[in-house]
Amino acid sequence: GESVGLHLPTLSVQEGDNSIINCAYSNSASDYFIWYKQESGKGPQFIIDIRSNMDKRQGQRVTVLLNKTVKHLSLQIAATQPGDSAVYFCAETGAGSYQLTFGKGTKLSVIP
Amino acid sequence: NAGVTQTPKFQVLKTGQSMTLQCAQDMNHNSMYWYRQDPGMGLRLIYYSASEGTTDKGEVPNGYNVSRLNKREFSLRLESAAPSQTSVYFCASSEQGASGELFFGEGSRLTVL
Repeated sequence: GESVGLHLPTLSVQEGDNSIINCAYSNSASDYFIWYKQESGKGPQFIIDIRSNMDKRQGQRVTVLLNKTVKHLSLQIAATQPGDSAVYFCAETGAGSYQLTFGKGTKLSVIP
Repeated sequence: NAGVTQTPKFQVLKTGQSMTLQCAQDMNHNSMYWYRQDPGMGLRLIYYSASEGTTDKGEVPNGYNVSRLNKREFSLRLESAAPSQTSVYFCASSEQGASGELFFGEGSRLTVL
C-alpha cells in the first residue's frame, strides 16, 4: 500500500539555528498534509497543515513547503528552541477521507 | 479545557484477558478515532467513527472492537488480548473527517504479558 515516510529518523541542531524536517509521500491522490509534534509521554499536537492547492504555508516560526512534482513535504522551524525537541510526524489524507496516514517520525534534538 | 480524555493511562493484562479503553471528548466533535503507536513506527488507525452511530475499520482493526456510545464517547475493546497488542493507544477527535486538525488524548500504555 502507499504510505508516508521520512528521510531522516534523527536530527540534531544547535539552539537558534533553523531546522528542516523532510517527508516523502507516495499517494498522488493525497490533498491534505499535516505536521504533528509529539513530546515524550504525550499525544501528538497539531503544528501546521497545507492543502495540495498551495506550495507554502507559514505559521509562527514554522513553514511547511509542499512539492507535488516530487511528492515531498518539509517542515522548517526558525530559530529552534529547546522546547522544540520532540518527534515530528508528517501525515496525509485525501479529500473526504477519515484515514490519516502517518510517517514514522523524525526525532529533533536541540543542543543548548 | 479537557479536550480528549483517555482512561486508563496504564494497564497490564495477561494473554487472553479482555479490557476496554475509554475515550471522551468535550469539543462537540463529530468524528473520533483510535490509533496505536509502536516503537519506531508512526500512528496506525485501528477504527474510526465518522459520526455518532457509525464505526468503520481502519488499517489495523483485527483483534479490536469499538463502540460509539454517544457523540462524546468512543471506546475500544480488546476481547482476548495478545502480546502483539502491547502498544500505546491514542484516541483522537476532529470536527469532521481527517482533513482538519485532529485532537489527541494523552495515550494509554497497554502491556500484554
